[in-house]
Parts: sequence; structure tokens; C-alpha cells
Amino acid sequence: EVQLVESGGGSVQPGGSLRLSCAASGFTFSGYNMNWVRQAPGKGLEWVSYISSGSSIKYYADSVRGRFTISRDNAENSLYLQMNSLRDEDTAVYYCARGDTAVTAWGQGTLVTVSS
Amino acid sequence: QLVLTQSPSASASLGASVKLTCTLSSEHISYAIAWHQQQPEKGPRYLMKLDSDGSHNKGDGIPDRFSGSSSGAERYLTISSLQSEDEADYYCQTWGIGNWVFGGGTKLTVL
Repeated sequence: EVQLVESGGGSVQPGGSLRLSCAASGFTFSGYNMNWVRQAPGKGLEWVSYISSGSSIKYYADSVRGRFTISRDNAENSLYLQMNSLRDEDTAVYYCARGDTAVTAWGQGTLVTVSS
Repeated sequence: QLVLTQSPSASASLGASVKLTCTLSSEHISYAIAWHQQQPEKGPRYLMKLDSDGSHNKGDGIPDRFSGSSSGAERYLTISSLQSEDEADYYCQTWGIGNWVFGGGTKLTVL
């Protein structure tokens, strides 16, 4: 069974940092491109970042470029999102998502709250 | 600009059918999309990938009640024999070079 389990969310003050993790199992993680997608409270889904299977290609949404960094460790079957200079508007549930075109698997999400 | 447009809400009766629509921006009518379901207080679930010719590949375990079709810039998700657990938000999603795009979502109410 494909599983994506996020962790690392929590409460942080504006300007702070957090590192999210996603543990993958049930499929060959190293063979898939991965993404982070977020959902602000009561809002729709917003793509955040993409990383290719070998980490050579990375993309970011304009809203996070320069502040967030995506990475992965294929040996550990793990995906990461380093979030710096956090803002109130980054408050959301963050989902790990598998796929390079269609998302074909989702995690259950981890909540990040940015508030003073 | 790559944009997906969805109606904010839809409703249909238990046991009936409903057809949800996702509209691609005019310059992107040949694009494939994916449909996702998000039940209340849960993470999204992949339903299917839907091509411009209407062919679709469903995710594991997705019931036959869920089907997709296409016409021009429109991409459809049809749910037949509606059940209470189908009450959820439905999102369409597509992809360009270096970005993914989601529609605003349709909240489906099962009456």
C-alpha cells in the first residue's frame, strides 16, 4: 500500500523556520518525482514545490520562491521542505504528493501555523 | 496563463447522478487533467487522470461509479448512484512547465 506520512508541522512566529518531512513507503520512492501542496484554512489546494526523482530539477511557486527549499533523500525514502522567513499567509496544511503530472498519491498532511 | 475554473458548489440526490465540470483556459484546451476528492477533514484522494479525448485512468480502488469525459476545454467528472460518502470537495488539477495548477474546487452536497 502506498503511504506518504508528513511530520514536522507546528506553530511558529512570523520570520521563523520549520522543516517538514514526508516518509514514503509502498512504492519505489526513487523512481518518482515529488511535490508539496498546501491548503490554507477553508481554502483550496495550492501547489508549493516540485523535485525530480534524482533531485536535479526543482520548481517553486512564486509565493515561496527564495524562502522555501525542497529536498529529498532517496536512501531514506524521504522528502523534505525547509521553510524560512515564514509569514502569516503560509499558515496551511502541507501535503506531500507523488507525481510529475497528475498527483497520484497524497499524504494526510501536517499543519503549519504562523502567528505571533 | 494556465487556469482551471470550477463551479463552487453542486448538489444532487442520494442515488442520482451528478456531472462536475472543470474548464481549461482557452489556450490550453488540449491539456489533460486529474480529478481529486477531499472528504471533510481528510486529505485529498486521487480519482483519475483524464485526457482531452476522454480517456481516463483511475486510481486504485476507485469505484466504477466515478467516470470522466471531455469536450473541448471542458473536463467532466460524473458520479453515478450517489452515496452519502460522495459528499466532498472535488478538485481538478493540471500541469505546465514548472508548475501545477488546481481549480478552486466544487463542494458537492448529497441531498
